[in-house]
Amino acid sequence: AQKVTQAQTEISVVEKEDVTLDCVYETRDTTYYLFWYKQPPSGELVFLIRRNSFDEQNEISGRYSWNFQKSTSSFNFTITASQVVDSAVYFCALTKGSSNTGKLIFGQGTTLQVKP
Amino acid sequence: DAGVIQSPRHEVTEMGQEVTLRCKPISGHNSLFWYRQTMMRGLELLIYFNNNVPIDDSGMPEDRFSAKMPNASFSTLKIQPSEPRDSAVYFCACASIGEWGVGDTEAFFGQGTRLTVV
Repeated sequence: AQKVTQAQTEISVVEKEDVTLDCVYETRDTTYYLFWYKQPPSGELVFLIRRNSFDEQNEISGRYSWNFQKSTSSFNFTITASQVVDSAVYFCALTKGSSNTGKLIFGQGTTLQVKP
Repeated sequence: DAGVIQSPRHEVTEMGQEVTLRCKPISGHNSLFWYRQTMMRGLELLIYFNNNVPIDDSGMPEDRFSAKMPNASFSTLKIQPSEPRDSAVYFCACASIGEWGVGDTEAFFGQGTRLTVV
């Protein structure tokens, strides 16, 4: 069965701290995609990153970085020098049974609170 | 493009009433998805359309739920009759999915419709 686990329900940090959000997934598919989405207090889901199963290269985008390790089935997300605007719920997601990027299995989400 | 547009943003209805949620996807995206978000179950896929045709409705919880996509620019999710346990945020999303079912783009989500059934 496919599954995404975000073990951290809530994380609270002080502004400028670095924070890592963990994501562990289970799948038997050889080809799949992994995603991170952000849900700010306003409620919409904002796409952050997509990685395919054949590309384990880590990625950095500004203060955001992602570490994909197939050996441990993990796709962790690090925010460097966190800011108050980073406060949101963050979801890790896995394509469900294929490479269809809209058919997703979501983790339960990690609520990140960044305090000034 | 204005992104995925959902209406209404909020809906409060009485148990037993029919509820219709609406979605206008991004032009040119050939696949549309309806998701539901609740505290208990998180985000779950309800139904998926490709080129206006329902492909996978295995996530639709009951026969009270139905979805249609009469054309490439409009979809509805209907609940009839509604029940308090249907209270949730319903998201519409779209993506461009290639010939072999591989996503050319990520899924773009609308702002959601918050449904409250009292």
